[in-house]
Amino acid sequence: DIVMTQSPDSLAVSLGERATINCESSHSVLYTSNNKNYLAWYQQKPGQPPKLLISWASSRESGVPDRFSGSGSGTDFTLTISSLQAEDVAVYYCQQYSSPPFTFGPGTKLDIK
Amino acid sequence: QVQLVQSGAEVKKPGASVKISCKASGYTFTRYYMYWVRQAPGQGLEWMGLINPTDGRRNYAQKFQGRVTMTSDTSTSTVYMEVTSLRSEDTAVYYCARSLGSHLPHDYWGQGTLVTVS
Repeated sequence: DIVMTQSPDSLAVSLGERATINCESSHSVLYTSNNKNYLAWYQQKPGQPPKLLISWASSRESGVPDRFSGSGSGTDFTLTISSLQAEDVAVYYCQQYSSPPFTFGPGTKLDIK
Repeated sequence: QVQLVQSGAEVKKPGASVKISCKASGYTFTRYYMYWVRQAPGQGLEWMGLINPTDGRRNYAQKFQGRVTMTSDTSTSTVYMEVTSLRSEDTAVYYCARSLGSHLPHDYWGQGTLVTVS
């Protein structure tokens, strides 16, 4: 199985400041046949199911604010929130969907400083 | 609009079985794979497996092989997941989630079903 790790476990950022969350996979999730990274980011708020933010490592879903961006390739990925808003307080998970089981990272809890 | 509506909370004793449903609406049911993901209290997300509602093809995480069965009913646009031999560690919120294919992220999720084993 591909193991996903995230760092940090938690972070607190001031409103309007940048938040950066890292995700690492134990095996590359880049398919050379189509040059796509099979990596997604989700946001989960308390009492709610996860919400898909980003697919293919860097493709923002429709309706997701452009302050959210994803980057990286192969085994190392980053989710960046350029200017933190109060409604961004949540737990963020990365997930690889290149090889079943489609494992998730352990999550990063984001709070306001 | 797309909706995945799951069955209600369950309380089960150790050793029992539970069957959870997930009814889809607002899209063509057979065009999307359905997945199951669980989340123990205060913990992260755990991927359990998938089912192709069109042909019933399944892929279970090895951890759940032999204890989990996923089925689909195209006449009612509903998928089911049965978990047998329940133990306390199975206490969790169970989510269904759809994807357009077998190697795609999950764009819509059900509201979750809490299963308590006690």
